[in-house]
Amino acid sequence: AQSVAQPEDQVNVAEGNPLTVKCTYSVSGNPYLFWYVQYPNRGLQFLLKYITGDNLVKGSYGFEAEFNKSQTSFHLKKPSALVSDSALYFCAVRAVTYGNNRLAFGKGNQVVVIP
Amino acid sequence: DAGVIQSPRHEVTEMGQEVTLRCKPISGHDYLFWYRQTMMRGLELLIYFNNNVPIDDSGMPEDRFSAKMPNASFSTLKIQPSEPRDSAVYFCATHPGQGDTGELFFGEGSRLTVL
Repeated sequence: AQSVAQPEDQVNVAEGNPLTVKCTYSVSGNPYLFWYVQYPNRGLQFLLKYITGDNLVKGSYGFEAEFNKSQTSFHLKKPSALVSDSALYFCAVRAVTYGNNRLAFGKGNQVVVIP
Repeated sequence: DAGVIQSPRHEVTEMGQEVTLRCKPISGHDYLFWYRQTMMRGLELLIYFNNNVPIDDSGMPEDRFSAKMPNASFSTLKIQPSEPRDSAVYFCATHPGQGDTGELFFGEGSRLTVL
């Protein structure tokens, strides 16, 4: 089984402040972890992924995420938020098992960056 | 590559009518997924294909829904007859193949409204 929890419905942050979007996961075995962003009336766009190696992963638009195996977390971060970062953010997990091609998505977090 | 192409982008129809949504995957991507997104249920996996063969259709809501992939360049999701509760955004997504880390490439979605 594989699942993702994104505990907050909405994250509000002032422009220029650090942004954090939380994600915890549950899988049997090792995970591949992903973050996607969705702008209004658009499809999901890939931001970054953790596969193996360094726990800190850097992605598009200045975003990064840290894999924490002991806490089963993969929080998304950005040091200084922009108004244009306002969007819906999805965390996703895929268990690294042969034949598993399904991604389990969280419910999404709406991020609102206040000018 | 132009990415995953979906059509139509918007569809408004009346209850009882047949709806057909179309997807052209990225060339060379062996896996194709159909998702449905609603406010209440988030992103739901409906069905996915590998090399044009349906692998897992356990997410298809009921017999009114059917999906086909007659060749590597085209897939359809059909709803017959449609009902108001089918109103949602339907996404097609693809990834290259087995052994890949599983990052999905999404289309822009088809927004369906059933009156």
